[in-house]
Amino acid sequence: GEDVEQSLFLSVREGDSSVINCTYTDSSSTYLYWYKQEPGAGLQLLTYIFSNMDMKQDQRLTVLLNKKDKHLSLRIADTQTGDSAIYFCAESGAPMNRDDKIIFGKGTRLHILP
Amino acid sequence: GEEVAQTPKHLVRGEGQKAKLYCAPIKGHSYVFWYQQVLKNEFKFLISFQNENVFDETGMPKERFSAKCLPNSPCSLEIQATKLEDSAVYFCASSQDRAAEAFFGQGTRLTVV
Repeated sequence: GEDVEQSLFLSVREGDSSVINCTYTDSSSTYLYWYKQEPGAGLQLLTYIFSNMDMKQDQRLTVLLNKKDKHLSLRIADTQTGDSAIYFCAESGAPMNRDDKIIFGKGTRLHILP
Repeated sequence: GEEVAQTPKHLVRGEGQKAKLYCAPIKGHSYVFWYQQVLKNEFKFLISFQNENVFDETGMPKERFSAKCLPNSPCSLEIQATKLEDSAVYFCASSQDRAAEAFFGQGTRLTVV
């Protein structure tokens, strides 16, 4: 079945770049997402990339997709304390299949060091 | 509306009581998803709807859980005779198409005591 894997923890110094990596198994994925969840809060859609794109940039966020290796990354430039959260990688949209629900990774907890 | 609205934000139920959660999808979105987030942050897919029709219910527990999306009403997720292990945050999401970006609500935290 589909699976999304990501490392559970990442510590980064304030001002440095954070890179969160994710791998997925479903080659028919259409959308790949990054969601942010702060403690006790809901899911915030940070950004997403359509599977025919290699890169998407949005202010401090850069998403890179290597479709051949099924690898997705999220780079946060100039990491701030407000970026502390859990970041979920997710994929969805296999229109040829009936089974196109959103599949989540277990989340990467980003910890910012002073 | 422009965001997925879930109510209530918090719900406390005694074991065996009924719990009902509501979700208003973004206007114009045809697909609605329900997810359960338990300890260790894992998201478990429960059910999806295409308009008022069940699209995929493979994640729904066979007993006690039911869901509806009726025209001109918020979608609902109902748990009969709640158990302690039903304690979780329940998220609703909506999307415009089957393969489109999905937006999530803020979640309903259900605590069964």
